[in-house]
Amino acid sequence: AQSVTQPDIHITVSEGASLELRCNYSYGATPYLFWYVQSPGQGLQLLLKYFSGDTLVQGIKGFEAEFKRSQSSFNLRKPSVHWSDAAEYFCAVATTGGGNKLTFGTGTQLKVEL
Amino acid sequence: EAGVAQSPRYKIIEKRQSVAFWCNPISGHATLYWYQQILGQGPKLLIQFQNNGVVDDSQLPKDRFSAERLKGVDSTLKIQPAKLEDSAVYLCASSLVGTSADTQYFGPGTRLTVL
Repeated sequence: AQSVTQPDIHITVSEGASLELRCNYSYGATPYLFWYVQSPGQGLQLLLKYFSGDTLVQGIKGFEAEFKRSQSSFNLRKPSVHWSDAAEYFCAVATTGGGNKLTFGTGTQLKVEL
Repeated sequence: EAGVAQSPRYKIIEKRQSVAFWCNPISGHATLYWYQQILGQGPKLLIQFQNNGVVDDSQLPKDRFSAERLKGVDSTLKIQPAKLEDSAVYLCASSLVGTSADTQYFGPGTRLTVL
């Protein structure tokens, strides 16, 4: 069965600093990978997704993520964080054998200091 | 385009009571999902519908949880009777066709507190 690990529960960065959120997955085949963001009282919003091809994926709000098969990782990055980026971020993996079941990590809470 | 709608947004009940949640997916989306998100955890899939048929309900506690999607559009999720450990946010999502490449769009969720 597939699984996702987000090793950092909380991360605090200063506004304008760069950001990297870590995600490691476990899945036997090439996975479909996603990053979602959840603001307080809101549902999850898709930031970006990886299926195949270029391993560097661009998303919304200036985010990008890089798929590294050798490290089973799909880390999320942003070169300059804005105060409005404070939220919880979830990495997820979907099976490629049919259906669309998403398995989520436990999330990383991002705090942005002004 | 309207997003996924859910109601109520908040619900407080006592243990052993019943509760129902409603979801209206994005128009035209064939696939509908219910997730349970316990505080401090990521969402966990409870049930997936393709039109009005169940695709996956392997993690649905069927002794107390039930869900239906009449006419392949709206869906309701019911808990009867509720337990303390059911306190969570219940998220509904929908996607166009339900393949692995399909993006799931989430509603705002219903926060359930069981006392």
